[in-house]
Amino acid sequence: SYVLTQPPSVSVAPGQTARITCGGSNIGTYSVHWYQQKPGQVPVLVVSDDSDRPSGLPERFSGSNSGSTATLTINRVEAEDEADYYCQVWDSSPEYHVVFGGGTKLTVL
Amino acid sequence: EVQLVESGGGLVQPGRSLKLSCTASGFTFDDYAFHWVRQAPGKGLEWVSGISWSSGSIHYADSVKGRFTISRDNAKNSLYLQMNSLRAEDTALYYCAKDIRPVYRTSPFDSWGQGTLVTVSS
Repeated sequence: SYVLTQPPSVSVAPGQTARITCGGSNIGTYSVHWYQQKPGQVPVLVVSDDSDRPSGLPERFSGSNSGSTATLTINRVEAEDEADYYCQVWDSSPEYHVVFGGGTKLTVL
Repeated sequence: EVQLVESGGGLVQPGRSLKLSCTASGFTFDDYAFHWVRQAPGKGLEWVSGISWSSGSIHYADSVKGRFTISRDNAKNSLYLQMNSLRAEDTALYYCAKDIRPVYRTSPFDSWGQGTLVTVSS
């Protein structure tokens, strides 16, 4: 079955740029969605369909997807961005099902 | 305001059954597909099952196929998950999640409930 691979952790200083990757075979042909989950809270959609940002989300969040890697980019990182981030796709083989990446813990130094 | 409230979780012995419910408000329930997603303690997200607006399209993760049954009652704005033959590895926080479309194919989940905890242990 389809597998999404994320780094377990990413660390970045405040004000810098964080890039969280999500690897998968030909992931560029999939629509990738990203969720943020802060400790003790429910997941929140931060990027959909590779690069669309839900209304109300800071413009600091953006996404890209090409080849074998999708990337969530957070510009001008703030302390409140510290959270777990998950990528997600739909796979149709052999039947429709959702695949989540293992998650990446973003630490703001 | 979109609200999703799960209920029905608890402590259950291996091999027994449990039925989860999710009650929705703040939007037109039968305009959207829904999903159950679980998260074991300290672990990542795992999709469990999805159901389209009309119940015409239903899918399950391999890990629960044949044991869990998803259903919905649009008249009651409610989503359900019947869980049979429960195992220790089913222990998790179970979230109800709203799709952005009535029929899922590539869509994300734009609203999540707070979750209901299921613990399978003797």
